[in-house]
Amino acid sequence: DQQVKQNSPSLSVQEGRISILNCDYTNSMFDYFLWYKKYPAEGPTFLISISSIKDKNEDGRFTVFLNKSAKHLSLHIVPSQPGDSAVYFCAAENTGTASKLTFGTGTRLQVTL
Amino acid sequence: GAGVSQTPSNKVTEKGKYVELRCDPISGHTALYWYRQSLGQGPEFLIYFQGTGAADDSGLPNDRFFAVRPEGSVSTLKIQRTERGDSAVYLCASSFSPQGGGYTFGSGTRLTVV
Repeated sequence: DQQVKQNSPSLSVQEGRISILNCDYTNSMFDYFLWYKKYPAEGPTFLISISSIKDKNEDGRFTVFLNKSAKHLSLHIVPSQPGDSAVYFCAAENTGTASKLTFGTGTRLQVTL
Repeated sequence: GAGVSQTPSNKVTEKGKYVELRCDPISGHTALYWYRQSLGQGPEFLIYFQGTGAADDSGLPNDRFFAVRPEGSVSTLKIQRTERGDSAVYLCASSFSPQGGGYTFGSGTRLTVV
């Protein structure tokens, strides 16, 4: 049972344009959501997070939106840069229990020149 | 060290053999996690340590898998009687706080069982 889903395995965006990565979840007990970025042969690196009490969190070029009623979150990258090319993982957590993240399957973002 | 260190970076072993994977967390991080990432999948939780004790080992797939953290720092993930399905990248992460994510992940150990 995939509790966190990233339905787009890949996305290609032109440099300077907006990248939108989507994530859906099914477990209503999740109350904290994170995005990680992964380059080949490296571990995932934390990018941005959002608590379920908020609907938006912004950090520079990165903004995460949360729609609790739809159990959907998205990551917006504006403007996209070639260095943003990586695999992006959505992850979710129930902070009331011992910490463990449930990850989606990832979306490979390619930013082209 | 500055980051989470995992050794070896690559391990090839024969089916049925025993392997140990090591994780050296960031100094002072009391929380330590092991995840496994199979091809085309996201990381899957295996076990979480708070200090020396395993606070949550619900992700270990079966009793062939075991992990220890005897002094609250370095951790070793042990896999007995390896199977081809154990082939994956094993990721270790550490953090100050057990909640809210924000982990620092290591680069992982790529295990290949032939």
